[in-house]
Amino acid sequence: DAGVIQSPRHEVTEMGQEVTLRCKPISGHDYLFWYRQTMMRGLELLIYFNNNVPIDDSGMPEDRFSAKMPNASFSTLKIQPSEPRDSAVYFCASSQDRAGGYTFGSGTRLTVV
Amino acid sequence: AQSVTQLDSHVSVSEGTPVLLRCNYSSSYSPSLFWYVQHPNKGLQLLLKYTSAATLVKGINGFEAEFKKSETSFHLTKPSAHMSDAAEYFCVSLGGSQGNLIFGKGTKLSVKP
Repeated sequence: DAGVIQSPRHEVTEMGQEVTLRCKPISGHDYLFWYRQTMMRGLELLIYFNNNVPIDDSGMPEDRFSAKMPNASFSTLKIQPSEPRDSAVYFCASSQDRAGGYTFGSGTRLTVV
Repeated sequence: AQSVTQLDSHVSVSEGTPVLLRCNYSSSYSPSLFWYVQHPNKGLQLLLKYTSAATLVKGINGFEAEFKKSETSFHLTKPSAHMSDAAEYFCVSLGGSQGNLIFGKGTKLSVKP
């Protein structure tokens, strides 16, 4: 298996623009997680899905952020409009269960200027 | 609420000497604990996990961790550091019924030749 695949690896965008981050989980994994990593706040859970259904989105910063999982092999995290404070590395992870041994993607480094 | 505290933000060792990365947890029940490693500009990789089967847990790349309930600790050790071990290490607990990972602040390990 190729692991969890995220795209793009790097994204530089101007403030106010829409940004879409993509994730392909490992086949057969029922759980998908979106995390954000910053120097100030470390790693934070944004949202997670079980069988394509959002279970907990309490970590989503505000209405500018939205996440979807239209099918078992694809998820998106969208920021509209983007702001400089959204600059971070966004990780997607997937798992067969909630036991904690999650497989992380390589992340998307987002820079909003 | 569950939390993990990594006692050192930065640890520096010489190649061939032992590694000790410290982690304390707080939990009202027997926790699931993990160590993840993040190499520069890479995603997170699971090193090892504790799920109450055995207090001494062996992981990949020669690392191991010992769960000590009396000390609420889960320190990560390796007998002999290698240059390739230079990375950031995260002590992680599994957050209650949500299935989300609660990350410590991380410890950056430097290995000197």
